[in-house]
Amino acid sequence: AQKITQTQPGMFVQEKEAVTLDCTYDTSDQSYGLFWYKQPSSGEMIFLIYQGSYDEQNATEGRYSLNFQKARKSANLVISASQLGDSAMYFCAMREGDAGGTSYGKLTFGQGTILTVHP
Amino acid sequence: AAGVIQSPRHLIKEKRETATLKCYPIPRHDTVYWYQQGPGQDPQFLISFYEKMQSDKGSIPDRFSAQQFSDYHSELNMSSLELGDSALYFCASSMGGTQYFGPGTRLLVL
Repeated sequence: AQKITQTQPGMFVQEKEAVTLDCTYDTSDQSYGLFWYKQPSSGEMIFLIYQGSYDEQNATEGRYSLNFQKARKSANLVISASQLGDSAMYFCAMREGDAGGTSYGKLTFGQGTILTVHP
Repeated sequence: AAGVIQSPRHLIKEKRETATLKCYPIPRHDTVYWYQQGPGQDPQFLISFYEKMQSDKGSIPDRFSAQQFSDYHSELNMSSLELGDSALYFCASSMGGTQYFGPGTRLLVL
């Protein structure tokens, strides 16, 4: 069974507007971490934001915020004020066995969403 | 800030040849992970090492082996290469927190 599901293969957004990339997950662990990574066409994998399952507040990092709805098992990434440089593939990933943000476990990735920002 | 270093960045091999990929983690990071990303796919976990011991193993073929050395760098050895091994191979490192990825090694098997 797919542990991480990203249902949007592609998304388009106008420059300076906000966009939400969806991510749902499936786990029976109580402690887990959710991550978003950006992969530009050049191929590198860039860490954007982290949310722990016990964090009560939604994570934010600059223009990135994570809309974490634990009961719905969703961890959507919100990018505000989109820029042309935001055009890339975005991966949601989960790490099970997190304890206070610490775990040596592997990441399980979703299929990714390609974001295109139009001028 | 120092990042994860991978070498080589690009590699072209023939079928049945061997390849060695190297990874130098961020200083003081004690854990190294290897991931394989096929064309148009999401990264798949291969293997990880914590303090030079194998800590977890994923869908890594028996033809592949890896180790972490005393200076914490890691090497992924791939033998009897197949066309399907063509992929982007990432190394990531952490200290138990966020995994930071290297730029990847793009392997093409002809």
